[in-house]
Amino acid sequence: AQSVSQHNHHVILSEAASLELGCNYSYGGTVNLFWYVQYPGQHLQLLLKYFSGDPLVKGIKGFEAEFIKSKFSFNLRKPSVQWSDTAEYFCAVYQGYNTDKLIFGTGTRLQVFP
Amino acid sequence: GAVVSQHPSRVICKSGTSVKIECRSLDFQATTMFWYRQFPKQSLMLMATSNEGSKATYEQGVEKDKFLINHASLTLSTLTVTSAHPEDSSFYICSATHIQGIATRQETQYFGPGTRLLVL
Repeated sequence: AQSVSQHNHHVILSEAASLELGCNYSYGGTVNLFWYVQYPGQHLQLLLKYFSGDPLVKGIKGFEAEFIKSKFSFNLRKPSVQWSDTAEYFCAVYQGYNTDKLIFGTGTRLQVFP
Repeated sequence: GAVVSQHPSRVICKSGTSVKIECRSLDFQATTMFWYRQFPKQSLMLMATSNEGSKATYEQGVEKDKFLINHASLTLSTLTVTSAHPEDSSFYICSATHIQGIATRQETQYFGPGTRLLVL
C-alpha cells in the first residue's frame, strides 16, 4: 500500500532563511502529488500539485516542489520564508489512475520567528 | 473557484445525541466527497469516500452505523455522528474532488474548513 513519509516533524526557522521540507512516497507507479498547508485555525489549502510534465512545480506564495521519480520524493522548497509561513504542511499522494484515495503524510510543523 | 463549505463550524452536544455535519461544494459539482478526521497535531485520517447516489465506502476500523454518510447530490454530502460519545470529539473535515481532465482523471481535492465536535 502507498505510504507517505515526512521526516521533518517540526522545523524552526528565522525569517529569510531557506526552507526545504522532505516528502517521500512508497509506490513506484504513476502518482499525483500535492502539498497542502494548514495555517493556524484555518482549513487545508492547496499549495501546489504535480500531475505530469515539468518536475519542478511552482505554487502559491513563492513555494515550489521538485518531483524526483528515482528518489520517490517531492520536496517542498522556499528560498526565503516569512513569519506568515508559520503553519502545518502536509504532503499527499494519489496512486495511479484508478484510485480516489489521497494518502497524507504526518505533516511538518513550521515555525518562523521574526 | 473550487470552494468547499462545512456547516456547522463548531458543535457541542450531549453524549448520546446525534450530530449532522454538512459539506457543500459551492461552485463546482463534486463527483466524490471525502470525510476525514483530524486529531490534535496529527495528520488527516480518511474515514470514508462518498459518491453521489451510492453507498459510502468506509475505511477499515470506521463504523458505518456510527458515522452515517449521505451523498444526496453532486454538491452536498452529510456526515451524521450517531449516539455521539466523548471519544467522538474531534475535528471533522470534508473534501470534494474537482476533476480537471476526465481522460486522465487529474483530480484535486479541495477541503472544507472543518467542523469541531465536542461531546460532553
